[in-house]
Amino acid sequence: LAKTTQPISMDSYEGQEVNITCSHNNIATNDYITWYQQFPSQGPRFIIQGYKTKVTNEVASLFIPADRKSSTLSLPRVSLSDTAVYYCLVGDDTGRRALTFGSGTRLQVQP
Amino acid sequence: NAGVTQTPKFQVLKTGQSMTLQCAQDMNHNSMYWYRQDPGMGLRLIYYSASEGTTDKGEVPNGYNVSRLNKREFSLRLESAAPSQTSVYFCASRPGTGGKNEQFFGPGTRLTVL
Repeated sequence: LAKTTQPISMDSYEGQEVNITCSHNNIATNDYITWYQQFPSQGPRFIIQGYKTKVTNEVASLFIPADRKSSTLSLPRVSLSDTAVYYCLVGDDTGRRALTFGSGTRLQVQP
Repeated sequence: NAGVTQTPKFQVLKTGQSMTLQCAQDMNHNSMYWYRQDPGMGLRLIYYSASEGTTDKGEVPNGYNVSRLNKREFSLRLESAAPSQTSVYFCASRPGTGGKNEQFFGPGTRLTVL
């Protein structure tokens, strides 16, 4: 399974854009990049997934360069409710191999 | 739909006791997973079941057993609980092959082993 590396923590203020970068140097051809969000005392929740270039949904954007060895989760105009841990995962979409959660990035949003 | 349900929500055991954590999903998903999360840490995979009738070890399977009872239910058993197994246990499911790597998580079971 491809190993991922993320910053342990980040701080931001309400209204700012937050970019969290994940490194995955040994990503395989069939692997997708998936991001999850976890609030205290809850299970993780899927945010976004991509294979290459840019993906955008109602909550975030995911930027993936051509070599796919890294990815950046972008949260526009964060609010206090975005304070959470964010996990980057890499794996194929077959379901036959489980994805691995690392330690994640703890985002703290200040007023 | 209830999604993924787990029972119990809380449990306290003494060292050496056994128990089974129950997980069920009503989304007709093929794959199911058991994770543990220690305080301040990420999730670690214990066991998973890619489809009904199959189970595979994850990162930290020692001290645990699983049963994929049917497509809906996936249980986790601790045969002889140890204090090192104090953790929050999450069950998750995903549709199966193809599509998003979106796992749906249950609310968790907080287990304390004394």
